[in-house]
Parts: sequence; C-alpha cells; structure tokens
Amino acid sequence: EIVLTQSPGTLSLSPGERATLSCRASQSVSSSYLAWYQQKPGQAPRLLIYGASSRATGIPDRFSGSGSGTDFTLTISRLEPEDFAVYYCQQYGSSPPPYTFGQGTKLEIK
Amino acid sequence: QLQLQESGPGLVKPSETLSLTCTVSGGSISSSSYYWGWIRQPPGKGLEWIGSIYYSGSTYYNPSLKSRVTISVDTSKNQFSLKLSSVTAADTAVYYCARHFWRSPFDYWGQGTLVTVSS
Repeated sequence: EIVLTQSPGTLSLSPGERATLSCRASQSVSSSYLAWYQQKPGQAPRLLIYGASSRATGIPDRFSGSGSGTDFTLTISRLEPEDFAVYYCQQYGSSPPPYTFGQGTKLEIK
Repeated sequence: QLQLQESGPGLVKPSETLSLTCTVSGGSISSSSYYWGWIRQPPGKGLEWIGSIYYSGSTYYNPSLKSRVTISVDTSKNQFSLKLSSVTAADTAVYYCARHFWRSPFDYWGQGTLVTVSS
C-alpha cells in the first residue's frame, strides 16, 4: 500500500499570500496518478487537481499542481478568503487498489 | 447534473451490520467505464477509501476492511450499497459515495451521511 504523507499539518497564511502544500509518497506513484481535493467544514471533498497537474473542471487557475514519482506539490498562487480549508492528496495508481489519501493539510487564516 | 445521495440508519449498535445505499440521479449507474465507490471519514480525521464497484458487479475492497465489507449494485434502481459487518466505535464516520473511472480520482461525491456506532 502506498502511504501518502502531507506537510505541513497546518499552514497559517493571509489572503493574497502564496501557499505551497506538499505530498510525499512511500513509493513512486505510477503515471502521476495523484489528485488533490479541497474540503470545507460540513462538505464533501471537491476535486481540484488530477494527474498531478491538470485542473478539474471549474477550478480557478490560481490552483496548480506539480511533481512526479514520490514528491508532489499543490500551489495556490494568491489566496482568496474561500481557499481556507483542508486539502488532501490521493493516489489512484495502485492496480489493483487500494487508493489512499494523505492525512490532510489545514490551511488557516493568519 | 449527476447527483449522488447516501441514505441509511444514522445509528448502529456495536457488532451489528452497517447498511447504506447511494442513489444516483442525473445519469445511469450502468454507464460504461464508471466505478462507484465508498469513502469514509471519522470525525475530525482524514479520508479512507472503503471499496468500489463496477456496474457489472466487479468489486475492489480496501484490504484493511475486506473481511467485513460487501458492496453491491442494483442497476434497476440506479443504486449501489455498502454493508459493513461487526462494527465497532472505530467505524463511526461520515460515509460518502462517489464516482470514478478506473484509476481516476473521485469526481462526483454525495453529501455524506454520519453513522454513529453506539449502544
């Protein structure tokens, strides 16, 4: 099973700043089958990024993903008030599954 | 617009079986290439994939839960279901149903339903 470790656990930033979130895998994620989700309190996760760097439908271009192999990054270029939430990475390259998630990074307002 | 809605008891007793159903609207559960999955999230914690099913009935389960999980599909009702046996307090969580392609992320999610395991 591929274990995903996200860092930092909590990130405190101000609106307008740049956020950089990390996701490290215990083994290489094949074909960059890595996704990022945003979750707000009381809501289901929302898909932001798939294939490590492709934005899902309707996702603003201030969200970008990068990385390959075992190291992946989600960058939010200029934080908007609505971006403060918890972010999860997920790998879906294991065949057969399991698909696994990171433990999450909470992005909070400083 | 595809919508998924979880339903089932919000309270289950320890050692009993948790049963949930996900009803899909705005699209057919029998559409080729789609898988239908269950994910859970204990209060204040992260996400855990439970398992997925193809409309034909092929299933994939998380090895950590495989001995207790059954996922089934009812194409006539456009629904798929989760059964988790021998539950304990550790199974208390918000349970989500979601759609994905094979080796693809979950792109549509239900709103989630909280299931509490308690006597």
